[in-house]
Order: sequence, then structure tokens, then C-alpha cells
Amino acid sequence: ETGVTQSPTHLIKTRGQQVTLRCSSQSGHNTVSWYQQALGQGPQFIFQYYREEENGRGNFPPRFSGLQFPNYSSELNVNALELDDSALYLCASPSGQATEAFFGQGTRLTVV
Amino acid sequence: AQSVSQHNHHVILSEAASLELGCNYSYGGTVNLFWYVQYPGQHLQLLLKYFSGDPLVKGIKGFEAEFIKSKFSFNLRKPSVQWSDTAEYFCAVNVPTYNTDKLIFGTGTRLQVFP
Repeated sequence: ETGVTQSPTHLIKTRGQQVTLRCSSQSGHNTVSWYQQALGQGPQFIFQYYREEENGRGNFPPRFSGLQFPNYSSELNVNALELDDSALYLCASPSGQATEAFFGQGTRLTVV
Repeated sequence: AQSVSQHNHHVILSEAASLELGCNYSYGGTVNLFWYVQYPGQHLQLLLKYFSGDPLVKGIKGFEAEFIKSKFSFNLRKPSVQWSDTAEYFCAVNVPTYNTDKLIFGTGTRLQVFP
């Protein structure tokens, strides 16, 4: 148990739609990161939020956006979904001493 | 740009065999190094990490890894694997001077252990 919870676990969307994925952390740390893990690949860093502001972004277009809330929960929003957005989306939050990242179980997004 | 290479994409072993998974990274400065494991249907779990000090680090479940700075490598080893080690293994790097927790992952190595 990592203390990082993601919802929903699975989601099917149609190309062009928008999706919101959610993450909550019990670590008490005010940093959250999101990753995309395509099938057969390692996780790729999307962005990080620190104290409710984006603090680092990977090679993802602006249609990937996020929010972080004062209660340590976070959202990943993806607009104008494309077929290649089908992947496992992971949320990660540092441990209390920030020496490792705890990952949630992920949301499996399928775009058809 | 920094990258992480895992050269073994799929490894098949019998129980009790020894394991070594390769990991190389491309960055000339200070890095933090990690190995994560992903069991089927489960979340990513940290096996071990290296920040500084002794380059031979021991992790959970009998795993260890050696950081060789001159080779930009951080190979994972286990002397005797078990069926329960069947999983996907990911090497990852963090560059602490970037002031983010961004992890750069390799593509992963799928390990299958047969009884």
C-alpha cells in the first residue's frame, strides 16, 4: 500500500473527447507527478505540481493539463483525445522524506 | 537529453538461476538511481535506490545493484531468483540539480521465472 490512490481504474473514451483522471495522496507532501506508460514502455514524465503550480513538464502538448488542490489531491486533464493517448496513467507522490516516489496503481485509459 | 537504456527486454530464467539486468544512463553530472518493479496488476514498487556513498546497494527481496560511475551503469542483480520474481523491472534516473522529482525511466525488462 503506497497511500496513493487513483480513480477510475479503467476508462474508455472516444477520440476527440476530454478526460479527467484523479489522484489522492496520504503522504502529506505537496508535490505530485504524473506519468504516461504506453504498452511495453517505461513511464514517461508528463508534469509535476508543487504547491498547486506546475513545476516541470515533460515532452507533452498543452492539451495535457493538471491541477493540484490544497488537500494534496490532483487531476490530470487531457483534451482532444487521440488514439495514441491510450496508456496507463500513473500518479506519484514523494515519501515523507522525499527519498522515493510512491506510485498509485494507475488509470488504464483506452481511446477508441 | 538524459536517457536510460535497458538492453534486456525479456529475460527467461529457471528458479535458482542468477539474474543480472543491465541499465545505462546518459548524463555526466550527479544522478540519483533507482530500480522499480511492477508485478502483474500491481503498482510500481521501489526495489532499491542509490543517492551517494557505497556504490553497492542492497534492496528488498534479496536484490542488489552496483553503481559504476565510469560506465554510467547501475545493473541489478540477484543471486538466486524465485518464481515470485516474475515481473517487469524498470531502471530510473533523477537529476537532483533540476529541482524536480522527475524520473526518467528505461523501457523495462520483463522477467519470467519458471519453476
